[in-house]
Amino acid sequence: AQSVSQHNHHVILSEAASLELGCNYSYGGTVNLFWYVQYPGQHLQLLLKYFSGDPLVKGIKGFEAEFIKSKFSFNLRKPSVQWSDTAEYFCAVNALSGGFKTIFGAGTRLFVKA
Amino acid sequence: NAGVTQTPKFQVLKTGQSMTLQCAQDMNHNSMYWYRQDPGMGLRLIYYSASEGTTDKGEVPNGYNVSRLNKREFSLRLESAAPSQTSVYFCASSESGGTSDEQYFGPGTRLTVT
Repeated sequence: AQSVSQHNHHVILSEAASLELGCNYSYGGTVNLFWYVQYPGQHLQLLLKYFSGDPLVKGIKGFEAEFIKSKFSFNLRKPSVQWSDTAEYFCAVNALSGGFKTIFGAGTRLFVKA
Repeated sequence: NAGVTQTPKFQVLKTGQSMTLQCAQDMNHNSMYWYRQDPGMGLRLIYYSASEGTTDKGEVPNGYNVSRLNKREFSLRLESAAPSQTSVYFCASSESGGTSDEQYFGPGTRLTVT
């Protein structure tokens, strides 16, 4: 069965610090990968996704993620975080044979200190 | 363009009571989903509807039923609520259910079963 692991459940950073949130998945076949974000009081929304091509994907608000197939990883990065990045971040995987069943990680709560 | 809407936003039930969570989308999407979000567990798929007229079980369907009333609406019913169903419920939709499709989420319903 597919699974998605997010290693950090809570992260606290100061503004301007760099961010890297880990995501690993367990599936050997072809996958599509997503990062969603839930800002306080708002809906989940898509940050970025990878389905083919360049493994370095750029998303909204200066976020990027790198797909490393050999490591089954899709880590999220941002060089300099802002207070407004305080949110919960979810990694998600959809295997091509998995049909409609996107699997979400447990989420990482990021708090950025002003 | 409201996107995905859910009612109610909050609900408290006693064990054994029933209720229906409503979801509607105005994006003309074919596929719709119900998830539950529990602390430390991310989002887990309860049921999905690939297209109007079809519904299928997800990862945690026990204790729930769904109805795809039309293309816009997808409801989730708890026939006899249990404390284990205390959770935040999210409805989502996507254009076609394709594996690279972005999902659009509603604001969530916070349900407490006492």
